[in-house]
Amino acid sequence: DAGVTQSPTHLIKTRGQQVTLRCSPKSGHDTVSWYQQALGQGPQFIFQYYEEEERQRGNFPDRFSGHQFPNYSSELNVNALLLGDSALYLCASKGTGGVTYEQYFGPGTRLTVT
Amino acid sequence: EDKVVQSPLSLVVHEGDTVTLNCSYEVTNFRSLLWYKQEKKAPTFLFMLTSSGIEKKSGRLSSILDKKELFSILNITATQTGDSAVYLCAVAPNSGGSNYKLTFGKGTLLTVNP
Repeated sequence: DAGVTQSPTHLIKTRGQQVTLRCSPKSGHDTVSWYQQALGQGPQFIFQYYEEEERQRGNFPDRFSGHQFPNYSSELNVNALLLGDSALYLCASKGTGGVTYEQYFGPGTRLTVT
Repeated sequence: EDKVVQSPLSLVVHEGDTVTLNCSYEVTNFRSLLWYKQEKKAPTFLFMLTSSGIEKKSGRLSSILDKKELFSILNITATQTGDSAVYLCAVAPNSGGSNYKLTFGKGTLLTVNP
């Protein structure tokens, strides 16, 4: 049973560029959330997708956008990259059937903006 | 705004010691509190707590929640070097439906020396 997978593992971009990160949820999961984890900090919620719609959003600017596909996989897009966007980007998935509130995290994408 | 504070921020112990990690929280309409272990990248799920006073146990790890005083503790007995990691505490509000935003603390960095 494959867990949450993310690609790419590492990414280096220049300030002002755009980036797309990808996530495939754990088998049987239909809800995907994205988190940003800066060095030495806990993960911060960016947004959550369910049924191909953004359901909740954290305090992140519109430069951060996302998408969920019919197979439940998801993308995170960040436009006009800033140095402060350098972080580990984590994807988490969960199911909606029954009382299953645990979220399972992927290995993350390490984004470095220079 | 939901808030999670973990203490201590870092801890160094010797193998065999017992440690207690603390997590206090403020959340509107509490649903659950979760503990994760983060070694390299992906936080791995440890426990989910929803009811006060009921201890959850997994091997040498245990956790309990106090909903009146708004805190939780994570205990690790007979620590091993493999327990070295960042331990993250997160809370989830009961915002209805499939919405499930986690608010994390900064984590406790535990180092277990041989």
